[in-house]
Amino acid sequence: NAGVTQTPKFRVLKTGQSMTLLCAQDMNHEYMYWYRQDPGMGLRLIHYSVGEGTTAKGEVPDGYNVSRLKKQNFLLGLESAAPSQTSVYFCASSSGTSGGANEQFFGPGTRLTVL
Amino acid sequence: AQSVAQPEDQVNVAEGNPLTVKCTYSVSGNPYLFWYVQYPNRGLQFLLKYITGDNLVKGSYGFEAEFNKSQTSFHLKKPSALVSDSALYFCAVRVHTGGFKTIFGAGTRLFVKA
Repeated sequence: NAGVTQTPKFRVLKTGQSMTLLCAQDMNHEYMYWYRQDPGMGLRLIHYSVGEGTTAKGEVPDGYNVSRLKKQNFLLGLESAAPSQTSVYFCASSSGTSGGANEQFFGPGTRLTVL
Repeated sequence: AQSVAQPEDQVNVAEGNPLTVKCTYSVSGNPYLFWYVQYPNRGLQFLLKYITGDNLVKGSYGFEAEFNKSQTSFHLKKPSALVSDSALYFCAVRVHTGGFKTIFGAGTRLFVKA
């Protein structure tokens, strides 16, 4: 099992450019999440999905969009990148059984710099 | 507002000594509590969780945590620290608000000196 994978690992964008981050999991998990990690702020939830075809806003959704067309994939899009979106982005997944009691499995992260 | 606090940015301990990484929370209802560890340039890894039952839970790599409902705390402990335990530790609280939102603390960097 590869677990949770993310592509790309690194990316540099200019202000106004767009990009898509891809997350894939092979554990058949129902729930998937996108977080951003900034120094001293822990992880903040951007968007999440509780199943294929469903998405919901998290704590900091502005400037991002997501799609979950397949159960194993969760895409995060930046339509017009801004320097404030410079961060490390983590995807995670968890099983939908046992309600919210299941731990999350994290990908290795994508380091994004917006100039 | 719901929150998770890790009051120490960094904890320094000598190898072989016991360690404690503190976590307190302020949420409504009965949350699920988690600890994760992050090594440099890696994603977070699950260490342990409290769902219900015994207040002392044991997890990976010899770590354990004690749930204290009255103090709304969930401190991470290990009886004997290793240099390899040096990493960034996150406390997380999961609340049921339609989709089970997880609130992460800001993280505590643990430094174990040989």
